[in-house]
Amino acid sequence: NAGVTQTPKFRILKIGQSMTLQCTQDMNHNYMYWYRQDPGMGLKLIYYSVGAGITDKGEVPNGYNVSRSTTEDFPLRLELAAPSQTSVYFCASSYLEEGTQYFGPGTRLLVL
Amino acid sequence: KQEVTQIPAALSVPEGENLVLNCSFTDSAIYNLQWFRQDPGKGLTSLLLIQSSQREQTSGRLNASLDKSSGRSTLYIAASQPGDSATYLCAPSPEFSGTYKYIFGTGTRLKVLA
Repeated sequence: NAGVTQTPKFRILKIGQSMTLQCTQDMNHNYMYWYRQDPGMGLKLIYYSVGAGITDKGEVPNGYNVSRSTTEDFPLRLELAAPSQTSVYFCASSYLEEGTQYFGPGTRLLVL
Repeated sequence: KQEVTQIPAALSVPEGENLVLNCSFTDSAIYNLQWFRQDPGKGLTSLLLIQSSQREQTSGRLNASLDKSSGRSTLYIAASQPGDSATYLCAPSPEFSGTYKYIFGTGTRLKVLA
């Protein structure tokens, strides 16, 4: 199993541009999550999904959108990128809602 | 709102030492708590998951304890090795959040010197 994979690994965006961060898991997990990690800070939940077609907001959803058309994929969309969205983004999945979360390697995003 | 604090923020120890990492949380109504390891530039790896009904959980040289009523968890690492160098994060999951959303601490950055 590849586990949780994320692309790209690193990206530089100009203010106002948009992009999609890709996340795929091959463990047949229903639960998937997007977090952001700012320097010296803990991870904060952006969006999560409890299954295909079902998504909900986390703690910091503003400026982001998600979709979940399949069990495997959970892309995160940034519209109108802002410097405040400079961060490292992690995707995670779990089999049980309250279970161990498995993380991808992260996407480092710089908005200039 | 759940606040998670990890002390110390950074720790440097010689190889072979036993060490304790501390995690405290303000809301004791948690369902479970996870300890994660994060290597530089990498994602998180779950080390231990301890249920609120458990007092401790062990995996190899790692032992996590949980005192839910006092809002504390500790991660004990025995006979530390240079390969243990990483940032360790704790994350409790609130009991009544509607979904099991883990709240992360800022971590303890550990360096084990050879």
